[in-house]
Amino acid sequence: GAVVSQHPSRVICKSGTSVKIECRSLDFQATTMFWYRQFPKQSLMLMATSNEGSKATYEQGVEKDKFLINHASLTLSTLTVTSAHPEDSSFYICSAPGNGYTFGSGTRLTVV
Amino acid sequence: GENVEQHPSTLSVQEGDSAVIKCTYSDSASNYFPWYKQELGKRPQLIIDIRSNVGEKKDQRIAVTLNKTAKHFSLHITETQPEDSAVYFCAGMEYGNKLVFGAGTILRVKS
Repeated sequence: GAVVSQHPSRVICKSGTSVKIECRSLDFQATTMFWYRQFPKQSLMLMATSNEGSKATYEQGVEKDKFLINHASLTLSTLTVTSAHPEDSSFYICSAPGNGYTFGSGTRLTVV
Repeated sequence: GENVEQHPSTLSVQEGDSAVIKCTYSDSASNYFPWYKQELGKRPQLIIDIRSNVGEKKDQRIAVTLNKTAKHFSLHITETQPEDSAVYFCAGMEYGNKLVFGAGTILRVKS
């Protein structure tokens, strides 16, 4: 079945630094990738949609300059959290549509 | 856009009993409704889904029913087992194939 590989699984970074999260579709081509954020004991909230070959679309209230999304190829989408702050600490997870939507394994980001 | 409400927020059942989780949606154009199980710190896993052209779907101990007129759908788990304990999310799909998730239900199966 379809697999999305997400890295890193956990990252701790200092305030003010940037962190890049990668999602790769391993056995299929993903022209679209959805990026979600999940705070503890809460639901998944869609942040943005990356599209191969075009600009990402962001949900209302999500800062596009802070959460940079790039869909470099049909198999790679990246989310970069820039100038991270402690309130950005969360579980970030990507998902590719199709066949029930395939999720990456998630990235636990802790900003200290 | 789509709005999905999910109830209850927590559900405790005795092993062997049934569990029912209910969701309502707002967008009558929605046509795909998946259910996910998420264990702590892990990715959501699809357990069953239903499209708007059917009213019920079953897979072993898990079933989903859909009432398009009332715009609600439900997850039914029979003969619950301790390993069914997890957080369950329903979702609807809005324009752009985006999934909109319910708030989640913490299911605890007591042995």
